[in-house]
Amino acid sequence: AAGVIQSPRHLIKEKRETATLKCYPIPRHDTVYWYQQGPGQDPQFLISFYEKMQSDKGSIPDRFSAQQFSDYHSELNMSSLELGDSALYFCASSPFHEKLFFGSGTQLSVL
Amino acid sequence: KQEVTQIPAALSVPEGENLVLNCSFTDSAIYNLQWFRQDPGKGLTSLLLIQSSQREQTSGRLNASLDKSSGRSTLYIAASQPGDSATYLCAVITSGTYKYIFGTGTRLKVLA
Repeated sequence: AAGVIQSPRHLIKEKRETATLKCYPIPRHDTVYWYQQGPGQDPQFLISFYEKMQSDKGSIPDRFSAQQFSDYHSELNMSSLELGDSALYFCASSPFHEKLFFGSGTQLSVL
Repeated sequence: KQEVTQIPAALSVPEGENLVLNCSFTDSAIYNLQWFRQDPGKGLTSLLLIQSSQREQTSGRLNASLDKSSGRSTLYIAASQPGDSATYLCAVITSGTYKYIFGTGTRLKVLA
């Protein structure tokens, strides 16, 4: 069965650079979520989309933006990267308010 | 603001033991609650989903209960095995929102 696909798996950037993370949800899932997880921490909610419209927002820095495209894939754009942005970034998808399926994540390292 | 906590933070048990993990949430107006398993450096796998109208869900050796009025859920693992070693997280979605709030997790180690 198809799963949530995230790319890239690993990303290394310098401070002040820009990063773009991609997420391809499971077909027919209408909701996409983005989470940030630091080492030893629980996942922190960033932003969600329902039917391609932003539906909720968490503690996402103004330097971050996200969108969902007509084919339902989503991208998280992160600018002016800081050392503290180093984390595992997860995308998850689900039918509306149903079981969440997570991707394998993107490990972002900011040097 | 919804807050989710899990007790204990870590647990080490011998193989074969039955164990209970606890999850508490502050806002009882939830749509559903999910329990997840996470292996180190990996993504999260949903184990059980309990709708707000349900009291429990079972899958194999796992049983999750929900007491919405008291803001609590428990995950019961029967006859634990070394392969159950992982971090277990609960997450709730509050009615009227589109975000799951995660608990702090319980790191479980099952010793052979």
